[in-house]
Amino acid sequence: SQTIHQWPATLVQPVGSPLSLECTVEGTSNPNLYWYRQAAGRGLQLLFYSVGIGQISSEVPQNLSASRPQDRQFILSSKKLLLSDSGFYLCARQGITEAFFGQGTRLTVV
Amino acid sequence: SQQGEEDPQALSIQEGENATMNCSYKTSINNLQWYRQNSGRGLVHLILIRSNEREKHSGRLRVTLDTSKKSSSLLITASRAADTASYFCATDLGDYKLSFGAGTTVTVRA
Repeated sequence: SQTIHQWPATLVQPVGSPLSLECTVEGTSNPNLYWYRQAAGRGLQLLFYSVGIGQISSEVPQNLSASRPQDRQFILSSKKLLLSDSGFYLCARQGITEAFFGQGTRLTVV
Repeated sequence: SQQGEEDPQALSIQEGENATMNCSYKTSINNLQWYRQNSGRGLVHLILIRSNEREKHSGRLRVTLDTSKKSSSLLITASRAADTASYFCATDLGDYKLSFGAGTTVTVRA
């Protein structure tokens, strides 16, 4: 099965604190991986994608960064969170004909 | 930037009725996909239609694609309460990325 694990499911962090969200993928090798952010009631905004270890492409300038230290691991980070970083973060893997999503992390920056 | 735009933003129907939502996009595509998102969860792929296809069926789902108008529609027939969710179209431009619209929120009343 092609399973995507994301954790934590929910997170409340103070402004200025660091962030690390982890995504791991099972059942495939060398996947294309993606981080999306979804604001309340909105669509998905692509933040980063990676086609291999150490290869990161950024779609929008922002306060966040991504890393891919292992083939099946994709990490979203921030050194100092802003209020505007609040949202629902989704990790995804691109399959041949469809994308597979994790269950998401609800981040609230207070 | 988001290429797809869904219409309407929200839809409320009675159980047993059909639900129709539309998606418009801006540039040429390889394929167009529809996804479903239950509240607070990840997205689940529903159906893919390729640029050379005009109509596709999957169970109670019917998708059409008009590349001349750069639009697609998703029809859910004989809706059920369990169909209550947000529905997103996503366009595949062939560059490793999917561009998602803002979604249509469907509420099916029992």
